[in-house]
Amino acid sequence: DADVTQTPRNRITKTGKRIMLECSQTKGHDRMYWYRQDPGLGLRLIYYSFDVKDINKGEISDGYSVSRQAQAKFSLSLESAIPNQTALYFCATSDYDRNGDEQFFGPGTRLTVL
Amino acid sequence: LAKTTQPISMDSYEGQEVNITCSHNNIATNDYITWYQQFPSQGPRFIIQGYKTKVTNEVASLFIPADRKSSTLSLPRVSLSDTAVYYCLPHFTGNQFYFGTGTSLTVIP
Repeated sequence: DADVTQTPRNRITKTGKRIMLECSQTKGHDRMYWYRQDPGLGLRLIYYSFDVKDINKGEISDGYSVSRQAQAKFSLSLESAIPNQTALYFCATSDYDRNGDEQFFGPGTRLTVL
Repeated sequence: LAKTTQPISMDSYEGQEVNITCSHNNIATNDYITWYQQFPSQGPRFIIQGYKTKVTNEVASLFIPADRKSSTLSLPRVSLSDTAVYYCLPHFTGNQFYFGTGTSLTVIP
């Protein structure tokens, strides 16, 4: 969905480096999420934010941090990347009052940690 | 422990109805169960959501029993373009969302 953009789309980095993945949305949604997907597996929730001042841990938050800089922007950071964080990362947004739990996903960021 | 379980894979011939069932325990009592479709190298795309009983839209139906411990996505008359992975995503207690491993549907000509 072009309304949810992620940068970069692909990133290769080395163990120990700090990495930031960015997500922006033009949908005006209050809720934003970060998921990771490993090959052959479903998506797992890392962090979510229901508004600018609200940050919550998901199922697998260890090794990650997030920042909700504005309603439209939600960044995911890996403070010291490790190889098992190699995965496909998706950002998503939702507006519960208008659309219930329908989440709109970005195109994904493919991260490789060497 | 919250968990979402789906069959790993299913095959179907074109034109048939496909039903995919998802089991989920400990879901929030007042929130939705949503279903998504995912093609390779793309983000999941919303199909349908429901809270209870039956919901139908232009592409699918969703059946949810009274105990809300499972839900069934029904795709009428599938075509080759419906070959994809399908995920259910219940809204669990504590605002947690646990995708299952997904059901890989292959539609056969």
